[in-house]
Amino acid sequence: QQPVQSPQAVILREGEDAVINCSSSKALYSVHWYRQKHGEAPVFLMILLKGGEQKGHDKISASFNEKKQQSSLYLTASQLSYSGTYFCGTVNTGNQFYFGTGTSLTVIP
Amino acid sequence: DAGVTQSPTHLIKTRGQQVTLRCSPKSGHDTVSWYQQALGQGPQFIFQYYEEEERQRGNFPDRFSGHQFPNYSSELNVNALLLGDSALYLCASSSADSSVRRSPLHFGNGTRLTVT
Repeated sequence: QQPVQSPQAVILREGEDAVINCSSSKALYSVHWYRQKHGEAPVFLMILLKGGEQKGHDKISASFNEKKQQSSLYLTASQLSYSGTYFCGTVNTGNQFYFGTGTSLTVIP
Repeated sequence: DAGVTQSPTHLIKTRGQQVTLRCSPKSGHDTVSWYQQALGQGPQFIFQYYEEEERQRGNFPDRFSGHQFPNYSSELNVNALLLGDSALYLCASSSADSSVRRSPLHFGNGTRLTVT
């Protein structure tokens, strides 16, 4: 049931872009994205509700392909503050919520 | 407006002991979910409480139990602690009126449990 994220880890220089993918084996109703910094609670970034929907939040955006049961998070012109572990969270048609396997993102000067 | 609060922040227990963790949801929320996060792993769903009843449960043994009080606060109890129970335990609150399909989970800062 747990969605699989890729890559597991990525290191970027400030200003570079990154894409994080989330794939589920179950039909999805929606996808959440959260960022967790070391020792802190996960912080909500965005929810995608419809197949094909795309949303943006500052320079972080995401897409959701309902048919492929996949979502991608796009980080453009990365900043040091973007460092952390990113988790997708999928909601299936049974209203069950599962966190993904996580992607560690490190932005260096 | 108080967010989700958890207590204690840290806890050290010995194998075989029992532990109780506490969570107060965000104001206006009536649903509490508990997650276990091992070091370097994603949060794993333990169970969810709504209207003082367990509504959903993840793949955790019966040693993990919970309770929700009339004021919506919740407790997580773990009996017969194992070394493998060492983890960060996160509480998340939400509103039943705003389904998890459309609304975010609000997390507390967690309780770090170490079992020696």
